[in-house]
Amino acid sequence: AQSVTQPDIHITVSEGASLELRCNYSYGATPYLFWYVQSPGQGLQLLLKYFSGDTLVQGIKGFEAEFKRSQSSFNLRKPSVHWSDAAEYFCAVGAWSGGYQKVTFGTGTKLQVIP
Amino acid sequence: DAGVIQSPRHEVTEMGQEVTLRCKPISGHNSLFWYRQTMMRGLELLIYFNNNVPIDDSGMPEDRFSAKMPNASFSTLKIQPSEPRDSAVYFCASSDSSSNQPQHFGDGTRLSIL
Repeated sequence: AQSVTQPDIHITVSEGASLELRCNYSYGATPYLFWYVQSPGQGLQLLLKYFSGDTLVQGIKGFEAEFKRSQSSFNLRKPSVHWSDAAEYFCAVGAWSGGYQKVTFGTGTKLQVIP
Repeated sequence: DAGVIQSPRHEVTEMGQEVTLRCKPISGHNSLFWYRQTMMRGLELLIYFNNNVPIDDSGMPEDRFSAKMPNASFSTLKIQPSEPRDSAVYFCASSDSSSNQPQHFGDGTRLSIL
């Protein structure tokens, strides 16, 4: 079975600083990987996804993530954080199981942005 | 385009009452998922439907929980009788499983059982 680890529960960065959120996955084959963002009182919104091909994936809102098979990682990055990026971020891994793509979510990383 | 629509957005009720949560998936999506989110357990998959048929309900916590999908545009999650420990945010998500597309989430129902 697949699993996802987000080692940082909470991260604080200054507005304008760079950001990297860590994600490690466990899965025997090539996984499908996702990053979602959740603002308070809202559902999860897809930021980006990786299925195959180029290991550097561009997403919405200026985010990108890099798939590193050797490290089983899919870290999310943004060069300059905006106050509106404050939210909770979830990494997820999808794997085909029983005929459907079962997605397992990490426990999330809460991002606080300070002026 | 309309996203996944859930209702109600908030529900407060007393323990023992029946609770029904509703979901309208994105038109054309053939997969529907119900999740529960709590501080303690994070995001848990409760049940998954494909083409209106329940495929995996191993995440449904107890027999008090039931889910139906009578047609491609509507699903319900019912709790009867409800208990305080059922308090959580319940999300519905849908996707097009035929093309490996990611899941799209609704805004959730915040359920409080007193």
